[in-house]
Amino acid sequence: DAKTTQPNSMESNEEEPVHLPCNHSTISGTDYIHWYRQLPSQGPEYVIHGLTSNVNNRMASLAIAEDRKSSTLILHRATLRDAAVYYCILRDRQGGSEKLVFGKGTKLTVNP
Amino acid sequence: EPEVTQTPSHQVTQMGQEVILRCVPISNHLYFYWYRQILGQKVEFLVSFYNNEISEKSEIFDDQFSVERPDGSNFTLKIRSTKLEDSAMYFCASSGTVNTEAFFGQGTRLTVV
Repeated sequence: DAKTTQPNSMESNEEEPVHLPCNHSTISGTDYIHWYRQLPSQGPEYVIHGLTSNVNNRMASLAIAEDRKSSTLILHRATLRDAAVYYCILRDRQGGSEKLVFGKGTKLTVNP
Repeated sequence: EPEVTQTPSHQVTQMGQEVILRCVPISNHLYFYWYRQILGQKVEFLVSFYNNEISEKSEIFDDQFSVERPDGSNFTLKIRSTKLEDSAMYFCASSGTVNTEAFFGQGTRLTVV
């Protein structure tokens, strides 16, 4: 399984932007970059995914480096509800494996 | 918004007993999964299910585990003879295709005593 590296924890203030980094230097050309998050005592929740171009949705933006060896999840205005563990996961778009491989992720703390 | 539902939310069972964890995936989804998370640890993949058969399973998913889709809506995980180390949160997930987002349920907390 392709590996990703994320900081163990990050801290932010409410209503400020948050940039969560992820390194995936061994990414292959067929890997999508997925982000999930897990709020306390809940199941994982899909956030966003992309392949090469930057992506935006109602929850977040995903900025992908030109060489695809790193990406950044951007929360434009953090709220207390965004406090969660954020996981960066690579998935083979050719469907070689269906599973999501979760690492330890980044625990985001949002201060009021 | 469609959601994956799991029952029960909490199950306590004695070691050696059989348990069945139930899940109702999103209705038009084709891929179904079970994951587990031992307290304080990572979310771990157990099994994926497509077209009425297991398509992938992890080393954790040994002969004590089985999955079934008994009707058009439910997806179950059975543990035949529970061990203390099976105590964990079990999450069911489903996705429409293999490369779209997976939707997770709220989990069943299994406590083996």
